[in-house]
Amino acid sequence: DIQMTQSPSSLSASAGDRVTITCRASQTISGYLNWYQQKPGKGPKLLIGAASSLQSGIPSRFSGSGSGTDYTLTISGLRPEDFATYYCQQSYNTPYTFGQGTKVE
Amino acid sequence: EVQLVQSGAEVKKPGESLQISCKGSGYSFDDYWVGWVRQMSGKGLELMGIIRPADSDTRYSPSFQGQVTISADKSISTVYLQWTSLRASDTAMYYCARGGQLIRSHFDPWGQGTLVTVAS
Repeated sequence: DIQMTQSPSSLSASAGDRVTITCRASQTISGYLNWYQQKPGKGPKLLIGAASSLQSGIPSRFSGSGSGTDYTLTISGLRPEDFATYYCQQSYNTPYTFGQGTKVE
Repeated sequence: EVQLVQSGAEVKKPGESLQISCKGSGYSFDDYWVGWVRQMSGKGLELMGIIRPADSDTRYSPSFQGQVTISADKSISTVYLQWTSLRASDTAMYYCARGGQLIRSHFDPWGQGTLVTVAS
């Protein structure tokens, strides 16, 4: 299985901050990297697919980048509604695996 | 609107069987992979397996192989997750999510989740 390592596991930030979350795969995943947001009591929501493709309806302050084994989610100008847990997920090889999550608080 | 609607919360005893469901609407159900994801309380997301309703091609994650069965009834646009003998450790929230038409795709949208509680 491909292991996904997210860092940090949690971070403290304030509204307006620029936040960066990284995700490293145990082998190359050729851009098959997705980012999800989960708020308490809710199901995950897709933010970015294929490493950098912003999904419809997702604010442009969210962006993704990376290639090979290393990927990044950036939130430029954190808003109160962005305080949540973020997960990366590789869809290169089954079983698709998730990172352990990053809680933004 | 593409939507996945899951069956309601369940409370079961250890050793009992259970089947939960996930009904898709607003898209060509047969053509898209559907996944089941477990989330134990306060923990992260674990993909259990994925199924393509068109031909019931199913891929299980090794941790869940033999522990659950994923199936589909394309005539009613529904995917199922089944246990034959529940354990207390199966207590979790379970989500279904639509994948892509190709296997290498993200999951979007997600169902609302089904809480399964297993306790004596």
